[in-house]
Amino acid sequence: QSALTQPASVSGSPGQSITISCTGTSSDVGSYNLVSWYQQHPGKAPKLMIYEGSKRPSGVSNRFSGSKSGNTASLTISGLQAEDEADYYCCSYAGSSPVFGGGTKLTVL
Amino acid sequence: EVQLVETGGGLIQPGGSLRLSCAASGFTVSSNYMSWVRQAPGKGLEWVSVIYSGGSTYYADSVKGRFTISRDNSKNTLYLQMNSLRAEDTAVYYCARVGLGDYVYYFDYWGQGTLVTVSS
Repeated sequence: QSALTQPASVSGSPGQSITISCTGTSSDVGSYNLVSWYQQHPGKAPKLMIYEGSKRPSGVSNRFSGSKSGNTASLTISGLQAEDEADYYCCSYAGSSPVFGGGTKLTVL
Repeated sequence: EVQLVETGGGLIQPGGSLRLSCAASGFTVSSNYMSWVRQAPGKGLEWVSVIYSGGSTYYADSVKGRFTISRDNSKNTLYLQMNSLRAEDTAVYYCARVGLGDYVYYFDYWGQGTLVTVSS
């Protein structure tokens, strides 16, 4: 399967909201509500932020939310904080194996 | 507390073999689906392999036939045997616990990663 498509970078000021898109196909994102999102700080392991499209694991701030429309999933971060600056990856079930997005670098201005 | 600790990475020549280990604590490896995910330097995440609680195994096309995932229930440890290594296998390798459910699409706990460098 081909990697899911994410913007290379997004930016926002503290307190603002940003949205990161994750575009797949009818074989992955479009067919299943099985999308997860990860936050990765430099030199660290990824951290699960969203699963099953919009569910948050225990301990993840409610400033993080997920949604899906057609073949595109989205991660929205509201009330941006400096510590949100990181790389973000989406991942979708694709019928036989998971497929990741290429990643998006979030810069907090 | 759930913990995953990978070991076994290092510098290896093309064509060589390496075995990665992932020692788990706080849960039972054999009762969960477990995966390996890798990340080439400066690149994104790539799923490598999964072992189901029942023992079935699956691989990404890029490693099929060269890598083998396994586990030792007595040691609560996951392994990745990597043979016929290529330069493009150079990456940080993470072991990760697959989230609950029948589908492999989210990973709720990750190890710190171990770096594998394939170079002459």
